[in-house]
Amino acid sequence: GQNIDQPTEMTATEGAIVQINCTYQTSGFNGLFWYQQHAGEAPTFLSYNVLDGLEEKGRFSSFLSRSKGYSYLLLKELQMKDSASYLCAVLGGATNKLIFGTGTLLAVQP
Amino acid sequence: EAGVAQSPRYKIIEKRQSVAFWCNPISGHATLYWYQQILGQGPKLLIQFQNNGVVDDSQLPKDRFSAERLKGVDSTLKIQPAKLEDSAVYLCASSPGELYETQYFGPGTRLLVL
Repeated sequence: GQNIDQPTEMTATEGAIVQINCTYQTSGFNGLFWYQQHAGEAPTFLSYNVLDGLEEKGRFSSFLSRSKGYSYLLLKELQMKDSASYLCAVLGGATNKLIFGTGTLLAVQP
Repeated sequence: EAGVAQSPRYKIIEKRQSVAFWCNPISGHATLYWYQQILGQGPKLLIQFQNNGVVDDSQLPKDRFSAERLKGVDSTLKIQPAKLEDSAVYLCASSPGELYETQYFGPGTRLLVL
């Protein structure tokens, strides 16, 4: 079976750092994606990890541990515009299907 | 570079009616995906095309949903007849067609079935 877990909601303060965790169990693994989705808009690509370790891209970083089935998205210097849903998605299966988690709704407060 | 285009953006229909959605992927992208996103959930893959061939339609409710991608470019997704539980956002995405590729999403069509 395939299962992706991430917290439903998180709250953080403007200027702070927040870590959004994602654990997964999938048949086959070809990488893990993080997408950002503002309310009423399409998901936009943030990061892709296929090897263990940390990938840094500006204020956003993503970490992967394949042996633990675990990833996190780290957001630094939070801004109000970072308030959105963050979707963890694993690429796997026989047809390289992208399986999404339910998303973590992040609220950034002043 | 133009992104993935979808129309209409919003649609309200009554149950048992039919509806169709249109998607134009990023130019040159061989792979096209249709997802259903119910409120509060992540997108769920309905069907994946590679050029004009179906790669995966295992989660497409084939008794009421159909999709086609003639000529390997634009695609249409149809629901006939619609049910209340079909109320969702229907997202189209495309990717170049290589392994481990990033998918780029369109703005989606928000469907409300009354």
